Amino acid sequence: NAGVTQTPKFQVLKTGQSMTLQCAQDMNHEYMSWYRQDPGMGLRLIHYSVGAGITDQGEVPNGYNVSRSTTEDFPLRLLSAAPSQTSVYFCASSYSGLAEPYNEQFFGPGTRLTVL
Amino acid sequence: DQQVKQNSPSLSVQEGRISILNCDYTNSMFDYFLWYKKYPAEGPTFLISISSIKDKNEDGRFTVFLNKSAKHLSLHIVPSQPGDSAVYFCAASAIAGKLIFGQGTTLQVKP
Repeated sequence: NAGVTQTPKFQVLKTGQSMTLQCAQDMNHEYMSWYRQDPGMGLRLIHYSVGAGITDQGEVPNGYNVSRSTTEDFPLRLLSAAPSQTSVYFCASSYSGLAEPYNEQFFGPGTRLTVL
Repeated sequence: DQQVKQNSPSLSVQEGRISILNCDYTNSMFDYFLWYKKYPAEGPTFLISISSIKDKNEDGRFTVFLNKSAKHLSLHIVPSQPGDSAVYFCAASAIAGKLIFGQGTTLQVKP
């Protein structure tokens, strides 16, 4: 199993450009999430999904869109990139079952995004 | 408003001694708590968790303690090893599929 994969690993954008960060998992997990990591701020939840066709906002959703058309994929779209979106982005997935540990999220390796 | 807080940005301990990492939360609806470990240039990895119906959970050198009345949890690592040097995040869950993380604590274990 590849686990959670993210592409690209690195990306530089200009202000106003749009792009999609890709995330895929092959563990048949129902739950998927996007986080951003910034110095001193920890991991902040952007959007999450509890199944195909179901998404919801996290702590910092503004400027980002998501959709979940399949169980495997959960892309994150930046509509009009801003310097404040310079960050490291992590995608994660987790099992929806009733056995502990609940919500044990498996993370991808991250995408480092710079917006100039 | 930060619902999960790790107020110590960094911690340094000697190899073989105990490391204690702390985490506070404000949302009384949180019913499950997890600790993650993160090395540079990698994604976080799950370490240990605890349900709100328990006050302690052990896994080898790692023990998590939960004090619900104080809305406080801590991670104890005994004995600490240089390979434990990493950033540690606590996380809390009240809704299935949704995890809220703290800011992280950087642990340095000196040989």
